[in-house]
Amino acid sequence: AAGVIQSPRHLIKEKRETATLKCYPIPRHDTVYWYQQGPGQDPQFLISFYEKMQSDKGSIPDRFSAQQFSDYHSELNMSSLELGDSALYFCASSFGTGSYNSPLHFGNGTRLTVT
Amino acid sequence: SQELEQSPQSLIVQEGKNLTINCTSSKTLYGLYWYKQKYGEGLIFLMMLQKGGEEKSHEKITAKLDEKKQQSSLHITASQPSHAGIYLCGADIEASGTYKYIFGTGTRLKVLA
Repeated sequence: AAGVIQSPRHLIKEKRETATLKCYPIPRHDTVYWYQQGPGQDPQFLISFYEKMQSDKGSIPDRFSAQQFSDYHSELNMSSLELGDSALYFCASSFGTGSYNSPLHFGNGTRLTVT
Repeated sequence: SQELEQSPQSLIVQEGKNLTINCTSSKTLYGLYWYKQKYGEGLIFLMMLQKGGEEKSHEKITAKLDEKKQQSSLHITASQPSHAGIYLCGADIEASGTYKYIFGTGTRLKVLA
């Protein structure tokens, strides 16, 4: 079965550069979530989209922005990268949101290293 | 304080031992999910519980939902090194008139061979 696809798998950037992470949800899933997991830490929720509209916002820095496109894929744009942005970025997708009781399915993550 | 608390935060057990991880919500639960993450890999969905008293099993892992206590427990029988990782609970909760999805604080499990 198709899973959540994230690209790239690995990304190395320098400080102050920009990065774009992509997430392709499972077909027919309309909700996408982004999480950031620092070394040795639990995943932290960044932002989510339902039907191409932002549905919830977590601890996403102002330097980051995200959107969900008409084909439901999502992109996380990160600017003015800092060393502390080095982390594993997970994307998850589900069908519906909140009360629909749909589990999240996660991608394998994009490992971002900022040097 | 966290809306979804897990305990313990970390756990080291000897191979073959049983263990239990708890997930407690401060809000009404509308669905409780358990995930496992192997270190450095993606989160894997284990099981979903929706009704009070519901119990589900996946291989040697059993999860129960106590609706009254707004708590779920994940029990691993005869633990193996392959069970090591981070266990996260997720839940649909109602907050300020809307539903949202949150994660628990996570439990790091290490199984010694």
